[in-house]
Amino acid sequence: EVQLVESGGGLVKPGGSLRLSCAASGFTFSFYSMAWVRQAPGKGLEWVSSISGSRSFIYFADSVKGRFTISRDNAKNSLYLDMNNLRPDDTAVYFCARDPSSTAMGHFDSWGLGTLVTVPS
Amino acid sequence: SYELTQPPSVSVSPGQTANITCSGDELGTKYGCWYQQKPGQSPVLLIYQHNRRPSGIPERFSGSNSGNTATLTISGTQALDEADYYCHAWDSSRGVFGGGTKLTVL
Repeated sequence: EVQLVESGGGLVKPGGSLRLSCAASGFTFSFYSMAWVRQAPGKGLEWVSSISGSRSFIYFADSVKGRFTISRDNAKNSLYLDMNNLRPDDTAVYFCARDPSSTAMGHFDSWGLGTLVTVPS
Repeated sequence: SYELTQPPSVSVSPGQTANITCSGDELGTKYGCWYQQKPGQSPVLLIYQHNRRPSGIPERFSGSNSGNTATLTISGTQALDEADYYCHAWDSSRGVFGGGTKLTVL
């Protein structure tokens, strides 16, 4: 059974930093691209970043480019999102999602439960 | 930047067919997909590559894509289909979600 478990969320001051993690199990992690998708309270889904299995392809939304970094450790079956210079509009539930494409531009066939990041104004 | 436009809400009677649209420039040339999200839950993939259904997704969910519009069709809508629905596509290496459509089953 595919499982994605996010962790690392919490309350952080504006301008602060946070690292999110996603622990994957139930599939061969290195074979899949992975993504972060966020959802602000009461709002819709927003794609944040994607990374291919080999790390050859990495993409960011314009809203986070230059502030967020995506990485993965295939030996540890883990995905990460390093978030710097956080702003109140980064407040959201952050979901980890699996992407079966090799280009990191596919669909998301499994999702975690999410971790909440709160940046007060 | 690329945008996908969905109606904020759609209402349907139980047993009837619901159509949820998603519009975007040249959307028909991109691989689109659809997700369902119920309150307090994570999104679930319903349709990918325009009209393919993952295993476990009921046949009453189908997708089509032509020109600038993708459509999610729910045939024989059930009360448990009441949820938010999102379309998604890629443009210039950027993932884009539609704003979401709240489906109400009256």
